[in-house]
Amino acid sequence: EVQLVESGGGLVQPGRSLRLSCAASGFAFDDYAMHWVRQGPGKGLEWVSGISWRSDNIGYADSVKGRFTISRDNAKNSLYLQMNSLRAEDTAFYYCARSGCYSDCAFDIWGQGTMVTVSS
Amino acid sequence: EIVLTQSPGTLSLSPGERATLSCRASQSITTIYLGWYQQKPGQAPRLLIYGASSRATGIPDRFSGSGSGTDFTLTISRLEPEDFAVYYCQHYGNSPPTFGQGTKVEIK
Repeated sequence: EVQLVESGGGLVQPGRSLRLSCAASGFAFDDYAMHWVRQGPGKGLEWVSGISWRSDNIGYADSVKGRFTISRDNAKNSLYLQMNSLRAEDTAFYYCARSGCYSDCAFDIWGQGTMVTVSS
Repeated sequence: EIVLTQSPGTLSLSPGERATLSCRASQSITTIYLGWYQQKPGQAPRLLIYGASSRATGIPDRFSGSGSGTDFTLTISRLEPEDFAVYYCQHYGNSPPTFGQGTKVEIK
């Protein structure tokens, strides 16, 4: 079964850091680009960051640029999101999603998400 | 950045009726880079349509997509009870990928 499972969410104080992980199974992870998409409480979807299969193309939303870092370990079939200097507005469900290519492909598989709450 | 505007915000319909959802782009986009997603409460989004009109794997044929340029449409020919959800369009042709704000299809 093709599956993405996120972990690492939780409650964190403003200014602190958190690292999210996404474990992939059931498909050839290194054949796909990967993305993080978030959804604030009661809000719509916002693309956060994406990474190509070889990690040679990486992009970030302006809202997280300079604070978040995406990475992947193809040997471990895992995607990561290092989130630093967290703000209240980063509070959201964070989903990982795969796409067949870095910038021209739809997001065809999504994980169930992990909740990040930034609050003092 | 391409801005996608969806309308209406909420669509109130009965099972068996036809649903027509609109997605308008702030500039002309290539049709192969337009997708539609369905999201039910407490669940992750699910890809329905890619390339403006191609159904994703396992998606019933009551779902269809059309459009070109700046105007795109998702049509659900006959609403089933499981189709009541929020629908998002997405442009994924360049960075950053962007989503519309969503259309909620609710039971009338």
